[in-house]
Amino acid sequence: NAGVTQTPKFRVLKTGQSMTLLCAQDMNHEYMYWYRQDPGMGLRLIHYSVGEGTTAKGEVPDGYNVSRLKKQNFLLGLESAAPSQTSVYFCASSSGLAGTYFGPGTRLTVL
Amino acid sequence: AQSVTQPDIHITVSEGASLELRCNYSYGATPYLFWYVQSPGQGLQLLLKYFSGDTLVQGIKGFEAEFKRSQSSFNLRKPSVHWSDAAEYFCAVGAYKQGGKLIFGQGTELSVKP
Repeated sequence: NAGVTQTPKFRVLKTGQSMTLLCAQDMNHEYMYWYRQDPGMGLRLIHYSVGEGTTAKGEVPDGYNVSRLKKQNFLLGLESAAPSQTSVYFCASSSGLAGTYFGPGTRLTVL
Repeated sequence: AQSVTQPDIHITVSEGASLELRCNYSYGATPYLFWYVQSPGQGLQLLLKYFSGDTLVQGIKGFEAEFKRSQSSFNLRKPSVHWSDAAEYFCAVGAYKQGGKLIFGQGTELSVKP
């Protein structure tokens, strides 16, 4: 039981490049989330999904897109990376009442 | 507006001393409350959660937290801190009916003196 996994762990992009972060969970959770963590700001919700085929905007969605084609996967896309998107990205999943479980994070640097 | 405030950015305690990390929240619905711990370079680990019932909840690693509705607080406590407790601690609030989204505080960094 791997829990929540994220790919890749580290990535460096140049401004304007695109990339996709992959999140997978094996706990059969309905809800999945993408957060970003910046120093002194805690974690902020980018997008989330309440079930396969659904997505919704969180607190800071601009510049990101997501897809949830399969229940166990939640993809976060950056179409044109900007230095302001340099951050640590965390995926999480939840069944609601049992709590939210986080992946190990992806450290992204945009030059 | 929904928000979580952790008033202390950084706390230093001596090993063996007691610890209390403060958390205040503003939330319209009935809140579910959480404490997470993050070691450097790691993800977040759930320490404990409060949904309903007994307002004093026990978590892992000897931590406990008390929900005080009148004060909108959910403070984390530990009677005796160990050097391995040095980490960043996050308080979060959410609601199941809102898709389980969490709102996080800014975090409190805990340092432990030998």
